[in-house]
Amino acid sequence: GDSVTQMEGPVTLSEEAFLTINCTYTATGYPSLFWYVQYPGEGLQLLLKATKADDKGSNKGFEATYRKETTSFHLEKGSVQVSDSAVYFCALSDQGGSGGSNYKLTFGKGTLLTVNP
Amino acid sequence: EAQVTQNPRYLITVTGKKLTVTCSQNMNHEYMSWYRQDPGLGLRQIYYSMNVEVTDKGDVPEGYKVSRKEKRNFPLILESPSPNQTSLYFCASSLGVGDGYTFGSGTRLTVV
Repeated sequence: GDSVTQMEGPVTLSEEAFLTINCTYTATGYPSLFWYVQYPGEGLQLLLKATKADDKGSNKGFEATYRKETTSFHLEKGSVQVSDSAVYFCALSDQGGSGGSNYKLTFGKGTLLTVNP
Repeated sequence: EAQVTQNPRYLITVTGKKLTVTCSQNMNHEYMSWYRQDPGLGLRQIYYSMNVEVTDKGDVPEGYKVSRKEKRNFPLILESPSPNQTSLYFCASSLGVGDGYTFGSGTRLTVV
C-alpha cells in the first residue's frame, strides 16, 4: 500500500538557519503530495502542495518539489523563524478503496521543529 | 470564513457511555473524513464519505459509526467508548484529490 516516510525529529535550529525535512513516498499511482503544519494545540493546516511531477509548491517561504524519479518531496526554508516551531507532516493523496471512492490522505509520522532565538 | 467546525474540543467520558462528536463544513465539499492522531502512530483514517448517504470504512473503523444525512455534517459516533479510543480526533473536508483536506481544530477525547 501507499506509505510516507519522513525524517524523525525532533529538529532544533537557531533562528535564520536553513531547514530541510526529508520526505519520501511509496505509491502505486500518481499521487498528489502535501505538507501540513500543526502548531501546538491546533489542527493541521495545509502548508503547500504539488499535484504532478516537477511541480514546486511554495508558501510562507517554504517550498518543496515533487520528484518522481526519487519519490521525494523534501520541505525547505532558507531562513527559519521562532514562529515556525511546529510539527510538520508530509502526506500523499490517493484514491484507494473499493471503486476508487476513498479520497484518503496517507501521512508520515510528523517531524517536530523547534526554532530557538 | 471557510472552515471545518467540530465540537466539543475536549471531552472526558466513561467507558460505555455513548457519545457523538459533531463536524460541520461550510465549503460545500463532497469529501469528508475522520482521522485519529496518536503518539507514535501518526494520523489514521477512521471513516470517510464521498457524498450524502455514501460512507465507508477507513483504516481503523472498529468501534465507530458515522452518518452523512446532509452534505455539510459528518458526525462521529462512539456507541460504547473504550479506553483505547482515547485520542485526538480530526474531522476534515475536501473538494477532491488534488486539493488536500481542510481540517477542524480537533477533539481531544479521554475515555476512563
